[in-house]
Amino acid sequence: QSALTQPASVSGSPGQSITISCTGTSSDVGGYNYVSWYQQHPGNAPKLMIYDVNNRPSGVPDRFSGSKSGNTASLTISGLQPEDEADYYCNSYTTSSTWVFGGGTKVTVL
Amino acid sequence: QLQLQESGPGLVKPSETLSLTCTVSGGSVRSSSYAWGWIRQPPGKGLEWIGNIFYSGSNYYNPSLKSRVTISVDTSENQFSLRLNSVTAADTAVYFCAGRNSGSGRTDHWGQGTLVTVSS
Repeated sequence: QSALTQPASVSGSPGQSITISCTGTSSDVGGYNYVSWYQQHPGNAPKLMIYDVNNRPSGVPDRFSGSKSGNTASLTISGLQPEDEADYYCNSYTTSSTWVFGGGTKVTVL
Repeated sequence: QLQLQESGPGLVKPSETLSLTCTVSGGSVRSSSYAWGWIRQPPGKGLEWIGNIFYSGSNYYNPSLKSRVTISVDTSENQFSLRLNSVTAADTAVYFCAGRNSGSGRTDHWGQGTLVTVSS
């Protein structure tokens, strides 16, 4: 299975909005509403930010939102904060009953 | 609150078997509410899904690792384990265990991760 495609890096100034894309195929992202997003700071385990396309766990700020259109899922951070600087990974279920991650996106707060 | 903790050797020789255990506390590996899994991250690189297992015994593995991987559950110790055979330097990574809500993509329980280096 091939990794989902994410941009290597995205940047924005504090208070701005940024969007990270995650492109797959009809066998993964496009075929199921099981796309999740994880935030990872250096040296830490990933933290769940969005699950099942657009659901936010309790404790995750509402400036994080998710969506999906066709074979592409997106994570939007509205009102970017310095603490949002991290790596972000998307993850999707596949037709093989397996899961696949994206290559990761480094978010830089300017 | 469910908590997971990885344990195992930090150094494995090439061609040997990597074995890690994840101890679950605050919940039971017998729960049908979770799928128990392993994810790894080579130094400086992205996350790679290795596989997961349900208490029912069903397991699913990354096709690229399937021939070398076994994930099992030990209910007496409330643990689940990873075995990866015939390792090479490419298997050097931080290995995370995780619990995912079954029937969902919600993986919000992670171990802290453990670095395994493959070297002679």
